[in-house]
Amino acid sequence: EAQVTQNPRYLITVTGKKLTVTCSQNMNHEYMSWYRQDPGLGLRQIYYSMNVEVTDKGDVPEGYKVSRKEKRNFPLILESPSPNQTSLYFCATGGVEQFFGPGTRLTVL
Amino acid sequence: GIQVEQSPPDLILQEGANSTLRCNFSDSVNNLQWFHQNPWGQLINLFYIPSGTKQNGRLSATTVATERYSLLYISSSQTTDSGVYFCAVGPSNAGNNRKLIWGLGTSLAVNP
Repeated sequence: EAQVTQNPRYLITVTGKKLTVTCSQNMNHEYMSWYRQDPGLGLRQIYYSMNVEVTDKGDVPEGYKVSRKEKRNFPLILESPSPNQTSLYFCATGGVEQFFGPGTRLTVL
Repeated sequence: GIQVEQSPPDLILQEGANSTLRCNFSDSVNNLQWFHQNPWGQLINLFYIPSGTKQNGRLSATTVATERYSLLYISSSQTTDSGVYFCAVGPSNAGNNRKLIWGLGTSLAVNP
């Protein structure tokens, strides 16, 4: 079954404690990206990757890092999380049509 | 940048009713998708429809790219249709980035 997986699905953490949200896809797509969803602001792109070792900033990249060492994986790294990064995060992949992971609900206290 | 507006923002229906959701966008696009966000927060692909008309069961969608709008039709609504419906567009000027610009959604509640 073609799918995009994210882990963890839920996370509560404290300010400054580094964390990584993993994303994996078995659809063999070169393109992957990360979004965050906030009330009243909708979904906004954080980072994207056109292929292995090729990443670039989206619209709201501050406070985030990514890496793309393998085609199927695209982890999102928060090196020093802050409360304003409390959000619902989605990983996406696709050709022209985009498909989204199940979401990671992050709370930073 | 491109703006995406969805209407109505909220909609309450009785089970069995029909509805039309609208999405207006302000510039040319090379992608338009409709999603349903269920109560668990998951984004479900409904349609990839940069132009034309598609149907899938009780749902159908039409995009008129030259007039910069898309419509999502829900017929014979069921309680399981409840949730938020999003329109998202891919700007034609985004280069290699296949990012989607999202509307704020239509929140639908279907009552039994």
